[in-house]
Amino acid sequence: GAGVSQSPSNKVTEKGKDVELRCDPISGHTALYWYRQSLGQGLEFLIYFQGNSAPDKSGLPSDRFSAERTGGSVSTLTIQRTQQEDSAVYLCASRVKGGNTEAFFGQGTRLTVV
Amino acid sequence: AQRVTQPEKLLSVFKGAPVELKCNYSYSGSPELFWYVQYSRQRLQLLLRHISRESIKGFTADLNKGETSFHLKKPFAQEEDSAMYYCALKETSGSRLTFGEGTQLTVNP
Repeated sequence: GAGVSQSPSNKVTEKGKDVELRCDPISGHTALYWYRQSLGQGLEFLIYFQGNSAPDKSGLPSDRFSAERTGGSVSTLTIQRTQQEDSAVYLCASRVKGGNTEAFFGQGTRLTVV
Repeated sequence: AQRVTQPEKLLSVFKGAPVELKCNYSYSGSPELFWYVQYSRQRLQLLLRHISRESIKGFTADLNKGETSFHLKKPFAQEEDSAMYYCALKETSGSRLTFGEGTQLTVNP
């Protein structure tokens, strides 16, 4: 497909387990973002990648969270030792580099930590 | 640091009434501002951007640098406008895109 794809759509995990969330951006989009969407909390910035530059990790809430982007395309967000407060929808977006270009969002991964 | 504030988490109006969703920002540079919308069970999508000065689905938004605001307006709300609306700011020197907390708009029949 031509859009941003995220997998899995839903993930239920036990507290303390590690999870990996995947994002396939639109081909050619050099900027990739991860956000967390919690009920009543809006869209919380986590991390973004821009081409070959060092990623902006300033939004990651703790060292349990990490992300990588391989080959400038697919990105994986990893949450280690999950906690119940990690339960949220994790959104990925991509856009081309440049001023007012639109960010295209994936459908999100709903993570539930039980 | 850049920040986007949407003071209303919930907004409810009747069909045909005017609607205004408020957005204020803080940013030291010249901002690039957007409104995104998420309809029920759909993914987040761009509604409009300030640079285009466009009207989309009857919505407009004007950047007021003096008041650091970018409020979204529509003169006559429709039921299909019910959705979650997010204001967003992109820094001009980079690519970081910061969103507000969102406003859930409900248009009642």
